Amino acid sequence: DSGVTQTPKHLITATGQRVTLRCSPRSGDLSVYWYQQSLDQGLQFLIQYYNGEERAKGNILERFSAQQFPDLHSELNLSSLELGDSALYFCASSVGGPSGYTFGSGTRLTVV
Amino acid sequence: GQQVMQIPQYQHVQEGEDFTTYCNSSTTLSNIQWYKQRPGGHPVFLIQLVKSGEVKKQKRLTFQFGEAKKNSSLHITATQTTDVGTYFCAGGGADGLTFGKGTHLIIQP
Repeated sequence: DSGVTQTPKHLITATGQRVTLRCSPRSGDLSVYWYQQSLDQGLQFLIQYYNGEERAKGNILERFSAQQFPDLHSELNLSSLELGDSALYFCASSVGGPSGYTFGSGTRLTVV
Repeated sequence: GQQVMQIPQYQHVQEGEDFTTYCNSSTTLSNIQWYKQRPGGHPVFLIQLVKSGEVKKQKRLTFQFGEAKKNSSLHITATQTTDVGTYFCAGGGADGLTFGKGTHLIIQP
């Protein structure tokens, strides 16, 4: 157990639908990051939050949005889902600054 | 923006052989981090290098950060089946942390 909790572990949904992925960071970590991992595509950075505020944006589609709540947990919302959105979605947390990230176990999203 | 290239993409080795993966950045990095992802697992932080020319060792793993802070390498001596997985480098810069695409290490017994 890395200390970062992601739910659900698996999600199967139809095209056009909307889903919400949830992440609870490791205790004491203020930064939360979301990554998308597709087959052989490595880790694509989506978005970062720090203590409730958006800090950085990567290759996140307009159909995707995220937020970090006062208790520091974060949600990633994916809407108008397409087949190509099928991937592993990882959440990671860190204390902030140049420090290692702790990854959760991921949510495997399958869009059918 | 910042780009981090990692080679090779795949590496097949016999158990007991050495393995090296290389990471190159288009810009000077403030730090470099290395992660390991086992098949079906999540990335796990291995180490961070910050200083120019820095070398760090973890048992059979040796990590190096280049003098210009634009490249790095991970070397594993005498690979074991437990070393199987994908090794990612991640460069720290103005855009935050940028991950390479990883090197998949496949070990044949």
